[in-house]
Amino acid sequence: DAGVIQSPRHEVTEMGQEVTLRCKPISGHDYLFWYRQTMMRGLELLIYFNNNVPIDDSGMPEDRFSAKMPNASFSTLKIQPSEPRDSAVYFCASTLDRGTPSTDTQYFGPGTRLTVL
Amino acid sequence: GQSLEQPSEVTAVEGAIVQINCTYQTSGFYGLSWYQQHDGGAPTFLSYNALDGLEETGRFSSFLSRSDSYGYLLLQELQMKDSASYFCAVREWKDSNYQLIWGAGTKLIIKP
Repeated sequence: DAGVIQSPRHEVTEMGQEVTLRCKPISGHDYLFWYRQTMMRGLELLIYFNNNVPIDDSGMPEDRFSAKMPNASFSTLKIQPSEPRDSAVYFCASTLDRGTPSTDTQYFGPGTRLTVL
Repeated sequence: GQSLEQPSEVTAVEGAIVQINCTYQTSGFYGLSWYQQHDGGAPTFLSYNALDGLEETGRFSSFLSRSDSYGYLLLQELQMKDSASYFCAVREWKDSNYQLIWGAGTKLIIKP
């Protein structure tokens, strides 16, 4: 398997523009997570899906952020309008829940480095 | 509330042994994971402990004490390539769903 795929790898945009980040999880995984990482705030969970259904979006900073998972192999994170404080690395991760107790592994994509000018 | 505590930075010498501690306060605890992240890279899974005791994988070992809400990652025979940030994360169930609560990470600096 190719692992978790994210695109684009780098995105530079101007304040006010719409940004769409994309993620393809590992085939067969039933959980998908979106994270944001900055030096100041560390690794933050934004939202996660189970079987394409959003379970917890309490980490989404504000209404400018939205995420969708139309099918098991694709998810998007959209920021509209973008602001300079949204500059961060955004990671997508996926995992397969094998029940408890079990080995727990999240597989991370390479991340998208977003810069909002 | 939920919280994980780990040191922000640890320094060690190449070839030595280092221990990175993690204490947690969560509800519905199921297990403790450790992840490694090199600068500019993505977190990668190292180990998972669901039960008390020590799990060994090569030079890395991870320990859990559920009664003490405490775990640690032990790195032996340190190599320069082990310089990275290390995150502990607690798996728990909340409202019948899976969650992973992350620590702030420990930056490991290795000196020759």
